[in-house]
Amino acid sequence: DAKTTQPTSMDCAEGRAANLPCNHSTISGNEYVYWYRQIHSQGPQYIIHGLKNNETNEMASLIITEDRKSSTLILPHATLRDTAVYYCIVINAGGTSYGKLTFGQGTILTVHP
Amino acid sequence: DAGVIQSPRHEVTEMGQEVTLRCKPISGHDYLFWYRQTMMRGLELLIYFNNNVPIDDSGMPEDRFSAKMPNASFSTLKIQPSEPRDSAVYFCASSPRFSGELFFGEGSRLTVL
Repeated sequence: DAKTTQPTSMDCAEGRAANLPCNHSTISGNEYVYWYRQIHSQGPQYIIHGLKNNETNEMASLIITEDRKSSTLILPHATLRDTAVYYCIVINAGGTSYGKLTFGQGTILTVHP
Repeated sequence: DAGVIQSPRHEVTEMGQEVTLRCKPISGHDYLFWYRQTMMRGLELLIYFNNNVPIDDSGMPEDRFSAKMPNASFSTLKIQPSEPRDSAVYFCASSPRFSGELFFGEGSRLTVL
């Protein structure tokens, strides 16, 4: 699976959009981009995933660049409850590792009042 | 809908004692995963099951660790004998299919003195 690079930490004001970048320059054609988050003292929570098209759900939007080498998770109106560690994970849909998530260090997002 | 249920939430034990962690996956989910999280190593996959059968246990650290899934609604992770370096948060996750979307429990925090 492709390696991902994320900033260690980011800050965001409450009510503003939080844009979390992820670099996955070695991604291959059948690899998906998944995002999870982990709020303190809780288990990881799935947010969204995509292959090459932009995706949106009730939690967030995922923007994947045309060359697929990077992506951005967007929380449109961040709240204090969005303070968490956000993980970007690339997974090979056809490989034996599909379902076996490898979590990196992630980005610590702190939302300020 | 009940999520993945883990017990105990917290366990404090002494070195050498046997520890058993329990997990009830979401009904209808065919895949079950055990992860361990430490500050040093982050989130690591230990083992996963498909239809109650262990598929990949390559992440199990050593013979002191064992996991079973006697039926579709119950799994255990056992450590015998426990050591201080086993102190971590252990997460169980389940999934209805082999994909990147896993549903995690709240975790069991283990402290071995």
